[in-house]
Amino acid sequence: EVQLVESGGGLVQPGGSLRLSCVASGFTFSGYSMNWVRQAPGKGLEWVSYISYSSSYSSSTIYYADSVKGRFTISRDNAKNSLYLQMNSLRAEDTAVYYCARDLAPLMGSDYWGQGTLVTVSS
Amino acid sequence: QSVVTQPPSASGTPGQRVTISCSGSSSNLGSNYVYWYQQLPGTAPKLLIYRNDQRPSGVPARFSGSKSGTSASLAINGLRSEDEADYYCAAWADSLSAWVFGGGTKLTVL
Repeated sequence: EVQLVESGGGLVQPGGSLRLSCVASGFTFSGYSMNWVRQAPGKGLEWVSYISYSSSYSSSTIYYADSVKGRFTISRDNAKNSLYLQMNSLRAEDTAVYYCARDLAPLMGSDYWGQGTLVTVSS
Repeated sequence: QSVVTQPPSASGTPGQRVTISCSGSSSNLGSNYVYWYQQLPGTAPKLLIYRNDQRPSGVPARFSGSKSGTSASLAINGLRSEDEADYYCAAWADSLSAWVFGGGTKLTVL
């Protein structure tokens, strides 16, 4: 059974940092592209970042939403079946539930989603 | 303000057919596949339609998708109370190198 479990959310002050993790199980993690998608309270879905699958022969392709570019960094550790999102210079508007999601195929929609982890940026 | 537009709400009675529209531009829906997600209250999104009109395994045939030019539609036949949810369309935007989501449509089953 495919499972994605996010962690690392919490309350952080504006300007602070937080690192989200997503542990995957039930599939060959290294063979799939992954995304972070967020949802502010009572709002719609907003894509945050994408990282392609990687191998020992090629590095990952990475994309970011303009709203987080230069502040957030996506990464993966295939040995640990884990996806990460390092979030720096956090702002109030980054407050949201953050979901990790597996792509059906590279850039072909996300077929499995985690339960989400809440990030609250407030003083 | 999303670059992909959906009506904020839709409604129907049980057994009815409901359609939800999604409108974009040449750089997103016009040149790439459209995807639809269903988000039941308090849960994570679920992929409903991929590549414009394909249903993942387990999604009932009552759900169907279509695309024409820069617009797409999700149709739900034989509406059921459990279909009450938020529905989002999405597409890759070449000009942004980013996924763009519609603002979402809240479907109410009357």
